[in-house]
Amino acid sequence: EIVLTQSPATLSLSPGERATLSCRASQSVSSYLAWYQQKPGQAPRLLIYDASNRATGIPARFSGSGSGTDFTLTISSLEPEDFAVYYCQQRSTFGPGTKVDIK
Amino acid sequence: QVQLQESGPGLVKPSQTLSLTCTVSGGSISSGSYYWSWIRQPAGKGLEWIGRIYTSGSTNYNPSLKSRVTISVDTSKNQFSLKLSSVTAADTAVYYCARVIGSSWYSNWFDPWGQGTLVTVSS
Repeated sequence: EIVLTQSPATLSLSPGERATLSCRASQSVSSYLAWYQQKPGQAPRLLIYDASNRATGIPARFSGSGSGTDFTLTISSLEPEDFAVYYCQQRSTFGPGTKVDIK
Repeated sequence: QVQLQESGPGLVKPSQTLSLTCTVSGGSISSGSYYWSWIRQPAGKGLEWIGRIYTSGSTNYNPSLKSRVTISVDTSKNQFSLKLSSVTAADTAVYYCARVIGSSWYSNWFDPWGQGTLVTVSS
């Protein structure tokens, strides 16, 4: 079974700053990786699928990259509503999440 | 657009069976080539995929839960359901239903999600 590792566990940034989140797979998953955003008390929301495709309605400040075992979610300029937990996912496995909080 | 809503008891006794239903609105559960999935999240923890079902009845389950899980679909009611048997306190979680988008098992992406329902296992 594939294991996903996310880093850092917590990222403390200010609005307007760039956020770079990492997800590493224990073996190659090609480009089959998704990213989700979860705010407190809410269900997760799909942001990125197939490593780099934005889901419907997702702002352009969110971008995904990578293939094989190393993937990155970038938020180009943090908006107040972007402070949340972000999970990567492949098939039946989710990563442990990265919390982006306000510095 | 498609919306999903979970329903079922919020409290289940240990050793009993947890039963939840997900009602799909805004579209037919049978339209398009979609799987439908259950995912859970214990309080303060990460996400765990439980399983998924196609409208034909074909299923895939998380190996760690497979012996206790049954997912079924009722296309006439536009619903799919989860049964988890022999529950313990470790099964206490928010349970989400979601549509699976993507064309293959490798593209097992979840969108949209229901709002989630908290199920507590306690006597």
